[in-house]
Amino acid sequence: DVVMTQSPLSLPVTLGQPASISCRSSQSLVHSDGNTYLNWFQQRPGQSPRRLIYKVSNRDSGVPDRFSGSGSGTDFTLKISRVEAEDVGVYYCMQGTHWPPFTFGPGTKVDIK
Amino acid sequence: EVQLVESGGGLVQPGGSLRLSCAASGFTFSSYWMSWVRQAPGKGLEWVANIKQDGSEKYYVDSVKGRFTISRDNAKNSLYLQMNSLRAEDTAVYYCARTDFDYWGQGTLVTVSS
Repeated sequence: DVVMTQSPLSLPVTLGQPASISCRSSQSLVHSDGNTYLNWFQQRPGQSPRRLIYKVSNRDSGVPDRFSGSGSGTDFTLKISRVEAEDVGVYYCMQGTHWPPFTFGPGTKVDIK
Repeated sequence: EVQLVESGGGLVQPGGSLRLSCAASGFTFSSYWMSWVRQAPGKGLEWVANIKQDGSEKYYVDSVKGRFTISRDNAKNSLYLQMNSLRAEDTAVYYCARTDFDYWGQGTLVTVSS
């Protein structure tokens, strides 16, 4: 199974400042079809997960453009250009290239300093 | 509007059974792979199982193989998870999601305890 790791696991941020979360996979996430199936999810307190980014860098509909995804192979990053109060929550990366099983990272908890 | 609504959670004793349901609306249910994902209290997300559009392929995480069965009824736009031989470690909120993981339900809590 592909193991997903994230750092940091806790990220206190100042409102209006940038934030960055790293995600690494135990093997390359490049699929034989040429796509890289790496998603990012946000889970606000008490809510269901919400997909923010799919295939590394594609923002879902309605996701603010302050969120961006990048990376390739085994190393990926989620960036928030200017953190807002509504961004508080836990962020997960997930690989969908080598399944079953689909595997999630352990999550990064973002809160306000 | 896409909606996924889970039901069927509750308190069950170790070794017991429970059947979760997920009612889908707002999209062509029969065109999508569907998944169950769970989250133990205070923990991260774990994919549990998924099923192909016509039910011909099903996959499970190792920890539930032989105990859980995923199924669907496309005529009723519904997804199911039959959970048998439940263990304390199966305690979690169970989410229904499209296997693109672009839409999720609100979750249903399953508590396995004596």
